[in-house]
Amino acid sequence: AQSVTQPDIHITVSEGASLELRCNYSYGATPYLFWYVQSPGQGLQLLLKYFSGDTLVQGIKGFEAEFKRSQSSFNLRKPSVHWSDAAEYFCAVGSNTGGFKTIFGAGTRLFVKA
Amino acid sequence: DAGVIQSPRHEVTEMGQEVTLRCKPISGHDYLFWYRQTMMRGLELLIYFNNNVPIDDSGMPEDRFSAKMPNASFSTLKIQPSEPRDSAVYFCASSLSISGANVLTFGAGSRLTVL
Repeated sequence: AQSVTQPDIHITVSEGASLELRCNYSYGATPYLFWYVQSPGQGLQLLLKYFSGDTLVQGIKGFEAEFKRSQSSFNLRKPSVHWSDAAEYFCAVGSNTGGFKTIFGAGTRLFVKA
Repeated sequence: DAGVIQSPRHEVTEMGQEVTLRCKPISGHDYLFWYRQTMMRGLELLIYFNNNVPIDDSGMPEDRFSAKMPNASFSTLKIQPSEPRDSAVYFCASSLSISGANVLTFGAGSRLTVL
């Protein structure tokens, strides 16, 4: 069964500092991997996705993520955080076999301090 | 496109009452998903449809919950009777299979409070 673990419930970084949010997944085959962002009172918005090919994927708002099969990880990074990046971030895993379920991690809340 | 539209945005009701949440997916999308978000359980997939047909409802918590998709532009999630533990934010999302059925576009959610 698919599962996603985001080990950090919340993270605080200073504006301008770099960011890395961790994500580990469990899936029997090559997964489809996603990062979504949720601002307060809003739905989730797709930041980036990995289906195949280059393991370093670029997303919107300057975010990137790297798929590491050997570590079952898909960590999200940003070189310089802006105050507007404060939100909750969700890692998700899905597939196109046996259905199109997308399973979400518990989320990591990002706080940005001035 | 206006995106995925959900209504109502907020609903406060009393235990035992019927609740109906509504969703209009993005035009042309062939998959529709209902998720529930709570602090304790995070985002849970309740049910999803493909071309208006329910594919997997294994996440529906119990018989009090039902979902329908009578046409490609409308879906409902009904709770009858409602209980306080149903209080949550309910999200609808849609996707297009040829672009990747897992690439979800979410609505803004319906926040349900059952007193």
